[in-house]
Amino acid sequence: DGGITQSPKYLFRKEGQNVTLSCEQNLNHDAMYWYRQDPGQGLRLIYYSQIVNDFQKGDIAEGYSVSREKKESFPLTVTSAQKNPTAFYLCASSVILQGNEQFFGPGTRLTVL
Amino acid sequence: SQQGEEDPQALSIQEGENATMNCSYKTSINNLQWYRQNSGRGLVHLILIRSNEREKHSGRLRVTLDTSKKSSSLLITASRAADTASYFCATDATLDSWGKLQFGAGTQVVVTP
Repeated sequence: DGGITQSPKYLFRKEGQNVTLSCEQNLNHDAMYWYRQDPGQGLRLIYYSQIVNDFQKGDIAEGYSVSREKKESFPLTVTSAQKNPTAFYLCASSVILQGNEQFFGPGTRLTVL
Repeated sequence: SQQGEEDPQALSIQEGENATMNCSYKTSINNLQWYRQNSGRGLVHLILIRSNEREKHSGRLRVTLDTSKKSSSLLITASRAADTASYFCATDATLDSWGKLQFGAGTQVVVTP
């Protein structure tokens, strides 16, 4: 059963703590993405990766970090430097060709207490 | 920055009616995609229209693209309660050689029985 999974579904963090959100795909896609979604808003790109061991900053990378050690995995760390981390985080993947659709995971809702 | 902007922000209709939403964008594109998001879930790809296409159909969905006006519309015919969701347009700008998407803020559609 192919797809993209994210865990956990809900995550609570105290201020000053780093947390890591998991994203795994078994679609054999080269490209993976992390987006942030705030209430009533669209998606903003945090980081993206086109290939293993390579990733690029998106529009709002400050306070976040990623790694891409395996093709299937693209974890996102929300660091204490992110001033307003409470949001819904979405991971996606795609084949690297222009115009291809992105496949999304179910999302992780992060709340800072 | 967000490339696409949807209009209206919210739409409420009754089952059986048609729902139309629009998307405007700012720069030249390779293609435009529409996605659906149910509350608290990930996005699901609906349809992709390339810059050299003017109209595309998929089931009850009809998408048009007017590159001269930099706009697109999504029509859902004979709406159902299950169509209740947020709908996002996403553009693949020609300046982005590998197909990074820019999402709009979305149109929230509510279909009442």
